[in-house]
Amino acid sequence: GEDVEQSLFLSVREGDSSVINCTYTDSSSTYLYWYKQEPGAGLQLLTYIFSNMDMKQDQRLTVLLNKKDKHLSLRIADTQTGDSAIYFCAWSYSNDYKLSFGAGTTVTVRA
Amino acid sequence: KAGVTQTPRYLIKTRGQQVTLSCSPISGHRSVSWYQQTPGQGLQFLFEYFSETQRNKGNFPGRFSGRQFSNSRSEMNVSTLELGDSALYLCASSRQTGVQVDEQYFGPGTRLTVT
Repeated sequence: GEDVEQSLFLSVREGDSSVINCTYTDSSSTYLYWYKQEPGAGLQLLTYIFSNMDMKQDQRLTVLLNKKDKHLSLRIADTQTGDSAIYFCAWSYSNDYKLSFGAGTTVTVRA
Repeated sequence: KAGVTQTPRYLIKTRGQQVTLSCSPISGHRSVSWYQQTPGQGLQFLFEYFSETQRNKGNFPGRFSGRQFSNSRSEMNVSTLELGDSALYLCASSRQTGVQVDEQYFGPGTRLTVT
């Protein structure tokens, strides 16, 4: 995870919005992803964004990409208890199936 | 359809031993990747196989090896186990249709403990 940095913990109240941040170093990365990992489970792809995009919205999820600052964020609207998990940002080159992951942000949703 | 399956789910081995982990991809998926997840190093790429050929390899010692069979099932082997090899080993498969983003589906992992 040395190519990608994430804050480690986030606590959010149910119904509020969550924002998870990620900073990457390799400007030649082509695809940027957000994965979710629940206890005892593998990784689930939530959404992705191409490096030539600034924003992508998918239901409750909004991804923002600031290429100048190499900053990626994931906003979860109306956060629910089922959103409690570890969230990883990741990147890859075009046509390269090697994913580089951040350290993961543990999101805890409190009632 | 069935997801990615990994066997065994849990494994305890002693230093110096070797271990083989197995991954069955989703039917029709031809690419299998392996990752190691530890609290200290996070998620790290081990290698990726496609059509029985290793196409990409991460920065791991030669003790870590893998292979893929004609039915796309994959195994990874770790020889001369060290305490630091204790980790969750995740396998991911993808269809590889040539589309720009080909989602990788992860299995639940094999938890390896080396004592």
